[in-house]
Amino acid sequence: GQNIDQPTEMTATEGAIVQINCTYQTSGFNGLFWYQQHAGEAPTFLSYNVLDGLEEKGRFSSFLSRSKGYSYLLLKELQMKDSASYLCAGMDSNYQLIWGAGTKLIIKP
Amino acid sequence: GAVVSQHPSWVICKSGTSVKIECRSLDFQATTMFWYRQFPKQSLMLMATSNEGSKATYEQGVEKDKFLINHASLTLSTLTVTSAHPEDSSFYICSARRPGEGANYGYTFGSGTRLTVV
Repeated sequence: GQNIDQPTEMTATEGAIVQINCTYQTSGFNGLFWYQQHAGEAPTFLSYNVLDGLEEKGRFSSFLSRSKGYSYLLLKELQMKDSASYLCAGMDSNYQLIWGAGTKLIIKP
Repeated sequence: GAVVSQHPSWVICKSGTSVKIECRSLDFQATTMFWYRQFPKQSLMLMATSNEGSKATYEQGVEKDKFLINHASLTLSTLTVTSAHPEDSSFYICSARRPGEGANYGYTFGSGTRLTVV
């Protein structure tokens, strides 16, 4: 079956760095997405990885290892506004997104 | 960039009535739109895939007669929750796929509709 696993909740301090891990099992693979979702709002796109390695985009970076079925989202210089849920989603061979349950990130001052 | 407009943002309806939610792609033609439902503290659950000019494909366990989807044009898909019940109260989100887009395959989300059935 298809499955996305990520931690339910994480806590970090303002200004620090946090890494949110995601492991995936999909029928075929066409990429791994990270989305940010604030409470009561729709998800917004953060990153997409289809090849192994690290993609850096400002304070956010995303890493993929296809052989391990593993990805992580790295957030640097955390700000209070980064408090949100972070959703990991794998795209299968039919280009369907398989969603994780999301990781709620709590930022403390 | 790609913009998807969804409305209403929130709606309260009486049990047994029907509610229509609209999803429009404003600056591109969306041959495919996706409808999701999200319960509190849970992830997105794909309900159905809507294809312009053809019948929607529903995910297992989603009642197609209860959640009517119409994708009559390349810029508009509608979801109608028929005979709504309190357990249908949820956050409904549409997503449109922009053809020919880059690495992220053009998945853009609407702002969501908070449905409360009383």
